[in-house]
Amino acid sequence: QSALTQPASVSASPGQSITISCTGTNSDVGAYKFVSWYQQHPGTAPKLVIYDVTNRPSGVSNRFSGSKSGSTASLTISGLQAEDEADYYCSSFTNSGTFVFGTGTKVTVL
Amino acid sequence: QLQLQESGPGLVKPSETLSLTCTVSGDSISSNNYYWGWVRQPPGKGLEWIGSISYSGSSYYNPSLKSRVTISVDTSENHFSLKVNSVTAADTAVYYCARPLSNGNYAYWGQGTLVTVS
Repeated sequence: QSALTQPASVSASPGQSITISCTGTNSDVGAYKFVSWYQQHPGTAPKLVIYDVTNRPSGVSNRFSGSKSGSTASLTISGLQAEDEADYYCSSFTNSGTFVFGTGTKVTVL
Repeated sequence: QLQLQESGPGLVKPSETLSLTCTVSGDSISSNNYYWGWVRQPPGKGLEWIGSISYSGSSYYNPSLKSRVTISVDTSENHFSLKVNSVTAADTAVYYCARPLSNGNYAYWGQGTLVTVS
């Protein structure tokens, strides 16, 4: 299975919005609702910020939102804050019963 | 409060077997049908899903690792384990164990443990 494709980096100023794309295939992102997004700060474990394409776990800011169109999922962070600077990974269930992660996106707050 | 803790050797010789255990506290592995997972991250690189297992022992593996990986579960000890055989330097990574919030994601993570193959 190939890693899902994400842009290597995205940057924006505080207060702006960014969108990170995650492109897969009809065997993963395009086939299931089980698309998740993770935030990872250096030296720490990943944190789930979006699951099942659009759902936020308890405690996650409503500035994080998710969507999907066909085989491409997206994570939008609105009102960007300094604490949002981190690496972000998408993940999807696949038709083999396995999971695949995205290549990762480094978000920089200018 | 749910906690997951990875344990095992931090240094493994090439061609030998990497063995890690994830001990779960605050939840019972056998009380639900979650698939408990292993994920790794080579230094400076992205996340890679290794595989997952349910309390009944049903398991799934990353096709690229399947020939070398075994995940097992011990419900009496409330832990699950990972073995990777014939390791090379490419297996050097931080290894995480994790539990879903609902099947299809990983909401609860261990702190991770660095395993170096050298």
